[in-house]
Amino acid sequence: EADIYQTPRYLVIGTGKKITLECSQTMGHDKMYWYQQDPGMELHLIHYSYGVNSTEKGDLSSESTVSRIRTEHFPLTLESARPSHTSQYLCASSAWTGTDTQYFGPGTRLTVL
Amino acid sequence: SQQGEEDPQALSIQEGENATMNCSYKTSINNLQWYRQNSGRGLVHLILIRSNEREKHSGRLRVTLDTSKKSSSLLITASRAADTASYFCATGGSWGKLQFGAGTQVVVTP
Repeated sequence: EADIYQTPRYLVIGTGKKITLECSQTMGHDKMYWYQQDPGMELHLIHYSYGVNSTEKGDLSSESTVSRIRTEHFPLTLESARPSHTSQYLCASSAWTGTDTQYFGPGTRLTVL
Repeated sequence: SQQGEEDPQALSIQEGENATMNCSYKTSINNLQWYRQNSGRGLVHLILIRSNEREKHSGRLRVTLDTSKKSSSLLITASRAADTASYFCATGGSWGKLQFGAGTQVVVTP
């Protein structure tokens, strides 16, 4: 098991609420990623970071935002959740090894009512 | 657009049989990786093959890479019920992050 953690594992919340999904890794990896994945479907990269104070938008446009104040921590925030945000959110990290092999957290399954 | 596309989308086999899935990609790569995802969980890295390699083995896994055809295959031999999962290929290149395929769902029945 990789040392990358996500909380909460499951979240059911009402429309309009602000939520933060937590992701932490203890491997000292500079690169971190957020993916959105609907059940049985492909992964969509929504945010990534190559180090502290570095954040970039991914291939899929998302209303969420991220921050990278510490190497080990890469939280994702939704200011106002909507039912269209219902999905699984996967966090991953990788080192600067040249292969970009990624280590994934267990995911957060978000349901917005 | 999706860099990797996998075939088949779904595969159902019995324990002891071999499972083969394929991945095609569009641009030049440095390496190709395969990941497994159990239902509702994160992905787990299985095996990596570099662009200058043609075949690689790891336990019951065999990966091939044909850069001229821009394709790779993953073979799982003597499958077990515990191999039931989705399998994703991912390509790594100079762009600094992985491009994942859509995945193949494998069901192994006892």
